[in-house]
Amino acid sequence: QSALTQPPSASGSPGQSVTISCTGTSSDVGGYNYVSWYQQHPGKAPKLMIYDVSKRPSGVPDRFSGSKSGNTASLTVSGLRAEDEADYFCSSYAGSNNFDVFGTGTKVTVL
Amino acid sequence: QVQLQESGPGLVKPSQTLSLTCTVSGGSISSGGYFWSWIRQLPGKGLEWIGYIYYSGISYYNPSLKSRVTISVDTSKNQFSLKVTSVTAADTAVYYCARASSSSCFDPWGQGTLVTVSS
Repeated sequence: QSALTQPPSASGSPGQSVTISCTGTSSDVGGYNYVSWYQQHPGKAPKLMIYDVSKRPSGVPDRFSGSKSGNTASLTVSGLRAEDEADYFCSSYAGSNNFDVFGTGTKVTVL
Repeated sequence: QVQLQESGPGLVKPSQTLSLTCTVSGGSISSGGYFWSWIRQLPGKGLEWIGYIYYSGISYYNPSLKSRVTISVDTSKNQFSLKVTSVTAADTAVYYCARASSSSCFDPWGQGTLVTVSS
């Protein structure tokens, strides 16, 4: 069960957009519409930001959006704000043998 | 609003068994519809799904940890627990409990508890 691949870092200036990729295989990301994204500030627990590829839980700003193409899912943060600086992790259902797999994580820096 | 809280020893000796409990408040584990999960975060690294359990007791585990992991549930106490046997320094991590939906998203999470494996 290999981790999903994310870029180690991404950055943008306030007001700009940043997009983070999450690459898996046809056995996980490409095979199911069960991709989620989590935001984690230092010393804190992860917080669900996107589920089912593109759905936002109540309370999550619409600046956060998700999409998927083939074996790669993406999280876009528009209108970057200082509080968006955090680590972001993706996860995907990976079938009835492996169940759930997380991404390697991306540190987003607001310049 | 459902909240989860991990508890257990913060220090475990090598070769011993790591035991943690997650207490759920604001909702009943027995109400169904969710899997109750354990996830860990190795120091400075990403997240690793350990496994989850349904209120009925059916459980699923990460294949890489399956031989050493047991997750159990106590619906009378609204708690679920994790045991990891034969621990080594590689098991040092922050351990989180979380609620998982049928579409494999985890929400909410507990605050996490650091477990260090050291003699």
